Amino acid sequence: EVQLLESGGGLVQPGGSLRLSCAVSGFTFSSYAMSWVRQAPGKGLEWVSAISDSGGKIYYADSVKGRFTISRDNYKNTLYLQMNSLRAEDTAIYYCAKDRMVYEKWGQGTLVTVSS
Amino acid sequence: EIVMTQSPATLSVSPGERATLSCRASQSVSSNLAWYQQKPGQAPRLLIYGASTRATGIPARFSGSGSGTEFTLTISSLQSEDFAVYYCQQYNNWPPGTFGQGTKVDIK
Repeated sequence: EVQLLESGGGLVQPGGSLRLSCAVSGFTFSSYAMSWVRQAPGKGLEWVSAISDSGGKIYYADSVKGRFTISRDNYKNTLYLQMNSLRAEDTAIYYCAKDRMVYEKWGQGTLVTVSS
Repeated sequence: EIVMTQSPATLSVSPGERATLSCRASQSVSSNLAWYQQKPGQAPRLLIYGASTRATGIPARFSGSGSGTEFTLTISSLQSEDFAVYYCQQYNNWPPGTFGQGTKVDIK
């Protein structure tokens, strides 16, 4: 069974940092691109970032470029999102998702709240 | 960036009835369109990709159609578990893959 399990969310002050993780099982992690998609409270879905299977190609939404860093460890079957210089508008549930453009599998999400 | 516009914002339907949801792209996305279902407190679930191909395990009552800029998701006979929010997403001009704002299907 495919499972994606996010962790690392929480409450952080504006300007602070958080590192999200997504532990994957049930498929060959190293063969698939992976993505982060977020959803602000009561709002729609917003693509955040994606990384190729090898980690050699990386993409970001303009809204997070220069502040967020996506990475992966194919030995640990884990996807990461390092979030720096956090803003109130980054408050959202962050989902990891399998693949780059069409998201067949999603994690349950982890809530990031940016507030003083 | 391509803007996806869904209509209506809310659709009130009785169980057993047909529901038709629309999604319009600000420019052509060919057939590179997906539909997702999201229930409260849950992650989205992929329903349709390639505008009309059902994802694994999706019941046949869900169907997608359209190409270019106009797309439709049809639920032929609404079941109680189908009341949810539905999002379309284009992935023709990626990145970014942009989502519509969602259509909420609720019980009439």
